[in-house]
Formats: sequence, structure tokens, C-alpha cells
Amino acid sequence: AQSVTQLDSHVSVSEGTPVLLRCNYSSSYSPSLFWYVQHPNKGLQLLLKYTSAATLVKGINGFEAEFKKSETSFHLTKPSAHMSDAAEYFCVVSDSDYKLSFGAGTTVTVRA
Amino acid sequence: NAGVTQTPKFQVLKTGQSMTLQCAQDMNHNSMYWYRQDPGMGLRLIYYSASEGTTDKGEVPNGYNVSRLNKREFSLRLESAAPSQTSVYFCASSEGPVQEYYEQYFGPGTRLTVT
Repeated sequence: AQSVTQLDSHVSVSEGTPVLLRCNYSSSYSPSLFWYVQHPNKGLQLLLKYTSAATLVKGINGFEAEFKKSETSFHLTKPSAHMSDAAEYFCVVSDSDYKLSFGAGTTVTVRA
Repeated sequence: NAGVTQTPKFQVLKTGQSMTLQCAQDMNHNSMYWYRQDPGMGLRLIYYSASEGTTDKGEVPNGYNVSRLNKREFSLRLESAAPSQTSVYFCASSEGPVQEYYEQYFGPGTRLTVT
């Protein structure tokens, strides 16, 4: 079975500074990995996904993530935070053909 | 294009009451899913339907039943609600298996409170 650990439950950054959200996973084979974002009282939206084509994955809204197999990590970054980035972020790994395992989530607050 | 729609948006039940949460997608997706979201726990899969006519248990199926009514619709039923089922419920759909990198598209959620 897969598992996902998001290393920070809460991250606070100033507007215009970099954002780093850390994710480690356990997997017995090459996994499918995703980052989803959830704005308050909304459903989840896909930010990006790792498809094994490239280890550095670019997503929407300036986010990107790097897959590091040796470290079993898939950290999410953005060079410059915007107020609209305030949300909850989930690192997700596929458990099987149809099952996803979600991390507990990281809440991002952005200070003006 | 509405995507994934869920009804109702909010619901309050008394312990022991039953209800059905409705979900529909207009993207002609093969697979549909029901999740619950509780604070600090991410989303947990309740049931899924890989294709029309099939359903399978997820991580937390106890106390729930599902019906894949047709390709568009996937309902979740609580036969006898319990306070432990107080949660936010999300429906999702995907074109194919997540292992083949198909993303899941989520509905806006249903907030259920059981008193």
C-alpha cells in the first residue's frame, strides 16, 4: 500500500516570496503522483501530475514539483507567492488503478 | 460545461435517518468516486465505480452503499446515519485509471451534519 506524508501542516509566507510544500511518499513501484489545491469551501483542483516523462513537472498558476526517486519526495514550489495562493494543498499518490491516497494537507497562508 | 455536480450542498440529519447524496458528471467519464473529508485526514475513498455497472469498496465503506445508476450518475446512500458520518463528501470522476495518469475532477462537495 502507498502512503503519503506532508511534512508541514501549515505554511505561512509573505506575498512575493517563495513557497515550498514538502511531500514524501512510500511506494513499492513507480507511482503516479499529483498535487491538488482546495480553496475555501470549494472542491479540489489539479495543480500538476507526475507522468514519468520528466522529473520536473510544471503545473498551473506558476507551481512546479520535482520528483526525486532516491529521496521518495515530490515537493511543490512556487517562486513568488500571490494572495490567491492561500488554500489547502494535497499531495496524492495512486494506490492502484483507481485508488488515490491523500496526504493530510498543508494549509498555506499568504501575508500581505 | 458543468463538470461534476452534487446535491444537496448542505444537509442536517438526525441519528438513524437515511439519505442519498446525488452526483452527476457531464464529461462522459468512465470512472466515478465518493470521498469523505475530515479535518487533518485528507480525503478518504468510500466507494468507486471503475465503469458503468461496477462498484468497489474503498478505504472506509462501512455504513454506506452506492449505486452507479448510469454512466453519468453515481449516488451514495447512508441507510442509518451516525454522528461519525458528519463530514464533507466529495464526488469525483475520471476518464480512466489514475495509474495511467488520468486526473480526477471533483464536485463542490456536500456538507453533512448528523446530530
